[in-house]
Amino acid sequence: GQNIDQPTEMTATEGAIVQINCTYQTSGFNGLFWYQQHAGEAPTFLSYNVLDGLEEKGRFSSFLSRSKGYSYLLLKELQMKDSASYLCAVKDSNYQLIWGAGTKLIIKP
Amino acid sequence: DAMVIQNPRYQVTQFGKPVTLSCSQTLNHNVMYWYQQKSSQAPKLLFHYYDKDFNNEADTPDNFQSRRPNTSFCFLDIRSPGLGDAAMYLCATSRDQENQPQHFGDGTRLSIL
Repeated sequence: GQNIDQPTEMTATEGAIVQINCTYQTSGFNGLFWYQQHAGEAPTFLSYNVLDGLEEKGRFSSFLSRSKGYSYLLLKELQMKDSASYLCAVKDSNYQLIWGAGTKLIIKP
Repeated sequence: DAMVIQNPRYQVTQFGKPVTLSCSQTLNHNVMYWYQQKSSQAPKLLFHYYDKDFNNEADTPDNFQSRRPNTSFCFLDIRSPGLGDAAMYLCATSRDQENQPQHFGDGTRLSIL
């Protein structure tokens, strides 16, 4: 079967850095997406990785290793508004998007 | 400014009473998706359209139907809602099915009395 694993919940301090990991086992790979979802709201697109390496976008960066089936989302200079769920999703060989259940990130002052 | 618009934001219906949720987009994207999401779970794809080409997920109950009368609009019909259908329903669009990200509406939270 196809599977995306992320930690259920993480806690970090305002101003700090946090890394959210995602591992996947899918039938084929056509890219990995990270989305942010605030409670009661829709997911918003953060990043897309299809080649190995690091993609940086302001305070957020996303890393991919296809050989390890692994990605992480790195959030720097954490702000209270970053409290949200972060969902990892992978496109398989049929371009179906397989979603993880999300990591709830709690930011403390 | 809103590019994927879902109405209403909150919908309450009675057990067994048909309900329709609507989604419109101003992005002129080819693909439109309907997802069901329950608390602390991943979004679950119900179906999607590539233009007028309808694709139903194998495990989507027959109770759920969809219509896409034109590029801009897509509807989700729940013919006889049960208590288990209470969830957030998310509409999303993408330019294509390959590498483009999906853009979501704000969702409709459905409650069943």
